[in-house]
Amino acid sequence: EAQVTQNPRYLITVTGKKLTVTCSQNMNHEYMSWYRQDPGLGLRQIYYSMNVEVTDKGDVPEGYKVSRKEKRNFPLILESPSPNQTSLYFCASAERQNNEQFFGPGTRLTVL
Amino acid sequence: GDSVTQMEGPVTLSEEAFLTINCTYTATGYPSLFWYVQYPGEGLQLLLKATKADDKGSNKGFEATYRKETTSFHLEKGSVQVSDSAVYFCALRYSSASKIIFGSGTRLSIRP
Repeated sequence: EAQVTQNPRYLITVTGKKLTVTCSQNMNHEYMSWYRQDPGLGLRQIYYSMNVEVTDKGDVPEGYKVSRKEKRNFPLILESPSPNQTSLYFCASAERQNNEQFFGPGTRLTVL
Repeated sequence: GDSVTQMEGPVTLSEEAFLTINCTYTATGYPSLFWYVQYPGEGLQLLLKATKADDKGSNKGFEATYRKETTSFHLEKGSVQVSDSAVYFCALRYSSASKIIFGSGTRLSIRP
């Protein structure tokens, strides 16, 4: 089944404790992206990647890192999480940058 | 800059009622317009899209028409069902770019 998977789905952590949210797609898509969803703000793009080893900042990249060493994986790294990063995070992928994006199920992160 | 504005929610309707969710946009060019749906606990799914003025997107009984003169893309359905309860996002994207600009989302609840 073609899908985008994220792990974990739920995470509660404390300020400053490094964490990684994984994202994987099995559709051989070139384009991948991370969004955060906050009440009243819709989805905002954090980082995106056009292909392996190519990543770019979105609208709200501060406090996040990403890597794209393999085509299928696009992990989101929070080196030192803070409470303002408490949010619902979505990974998405597309065949190419201007094709339809397919979204993962989301990761709900709480930083205490 | 470009932006999308949706009607505030939540919207609560009875089953078989007529639905309209308003969406207006501000754009410097000629973007494609989208409606995404997010069912409880799931990621976003593309519901319908329109790529140019006067185009009508439709899917699962939902419709929206790209109105350039009023810069609108209102979502309509003639007879809603309980299973339509979800959060709906209006969005725009330029064909040459990957970035999707989302509205803030409208939560829809349908009473049996």
